[in-house]
Amino acid sequence: EVQLVESGGDLVQPGGSLRLSCAASGFTFSNSWMHWVRQAPGKGLVWVSHINSDGSSTNYADSVKGRFTISRDNAKNTLYLQMNSLRAEDTAVYYCARDQYYSNYYWGQGTLVTVSS
Amino acid sequence: QSALTQPPSASGSPGQSVTISCTGTSSDVGGYNYVSWYQQHPGKAPKLMIYEVSKWPSGVPDRFSGSKSGNTASLTVSGLQAEDEAEYYCYSYAGSNNWVFGGGTKLTVL
Repeated sequence: EVQLVESGGDLVQPGGSLRLSCAASGFTFSNSWMHWVRQAPGKGLVWVSHINSDGSSTNYADSVKGRFTISRDNAKNTLYLQMNSLRAEDTAVYYCARDQYYSNYYWGQGTLVTVSS
Repeated sequence: QSALTQPPSASGSPGQSVTISCTGTSSDVGGYNYVSWYQQHPGKAPKLMIYEVSKWPSGVPDRFSGSKSGNTASLTVSGLQAEDEAEYYCYSYAGSNNWVFGGGTKLTVL
């Protein structure tokens, strides 16, 4: 059974940093593209970032480019999102998702990031 | 990276059919057959309902169907049931390893 478990969400001050993790199991993580998607309270889903299977290619939404970094450790079956220079508008539930057929085929349960003073 | 355009709301009575549209551009919806649809109930993670425009993941009932014409994709829910009441999002590949979601449609079963 595919499982994705996010962690690391917290309350952080504007300008601060946070690293999210996504522990994967039940599939060959090292062969899978992965995504981060976020959802602000009461708002819609927004694609944040993508990473290919070996981590050599990464892509970001314009809203986070230069502030967020996606990475992965295939030996640990773990996906990461390093978030720097956080803003109030980054407040959201962050989901990791496994890509299949250019869709988010499997999702984690999400982790809440709150940026507030 | 502009969001795809979905109607904010849709509704139908039990047993009826309802169609939700998703309009993009030739750079996303119109350019690739990589449109997917997601169902999200309040407080839950999204669930994949359709991928590659019209394919079903395992376990999704065939009451849900997808199609595309030009720059507009559509999700049709037939034989509406109470449990279909949820938010629905379209999602498209936009080239160069970028993706974009629609703004979401709240489906109400009357």
